Amino acid sequence: EAGVAQSPRYKIIEKRQSVAFWCNPISGHATLYWYQQILGQGPKLLIQFQNNGVVDDSQLPKDRFSAERLKGVDSTLKIQPAKLEDSAVYLCASSFLLGGLREQYFGPGTRLTVT
Amino acid sequence: KNQVEQSPQSLIILEGKNCTLQCNYTVSPFSNLRWYKQDTGRGPVSLTIMTFSENTKSNGRYTATLDADTKQSSLHITASQLSDSASYICVVSEAGANNLFFGTGTRLTVIP
Repeated sequence: EAGVAQSPRYKIIEKRQSVAFWCNPISGHATLYWYQQILGQGPKLLIQFQNNGVVDDSQLPKDRFSAERLKGVDSTLKIQPAKLEDSAVYLCASSFLLGGLREQYFGPGTRLTVT
Repeated sequence: KNQVEQSPQSLIILEGKNCTLQCNYTVSPFSNLRWYKQDTGRGPVSLTIMTFSENTKSNGRYTATLDADTKQSSLHITASQLSDSASYICVVSEAGANNLFFGTGTRLTVIP
């Protein structure tokens, strides 16, 4: 079974520029998550999709971050404009079920550096 | 406030030695607790999952324990190997909700 795919793996941009990340979840997984992981910290949930609908985006900085999952499969996360504090690893995860016992499978992440 | 705290923040041990990582949580109501291993530059990978009724769960040289009364969990690694060097993250799921609460992780370094 193929895992969660993410691209790019690394990205360096200057502040105020825009950037987009792509995620392809495991086939058949209806739930998709985007996390931000700052160095030395645990992942922080940014947004959660169930199919193509948003379940939770309470911690997404909506003034600069946006995400979509138009066809309920792939997803993109965009930052516009980027700030220095956005430097982090952006992890995408997917799960088959929505609920407490769901197993989340994580992708390798995209490491973003904002200079 | 729902929180997950892990200790120590970092740990260095000699290859072949055992170690124990701690996780304390205040998440309520509790659904389950997972330990993840995150290698540098990789996404987290699940090691164990325990529900309220489970006290211990093993996965090879990894053994997790759960005391739901005191809201504490530990991850014991036996006969450590160099490949165990990673961050170990404790994640607690809230019952009846979609919320997961992540600890900040323990960075383990195993040296020869």
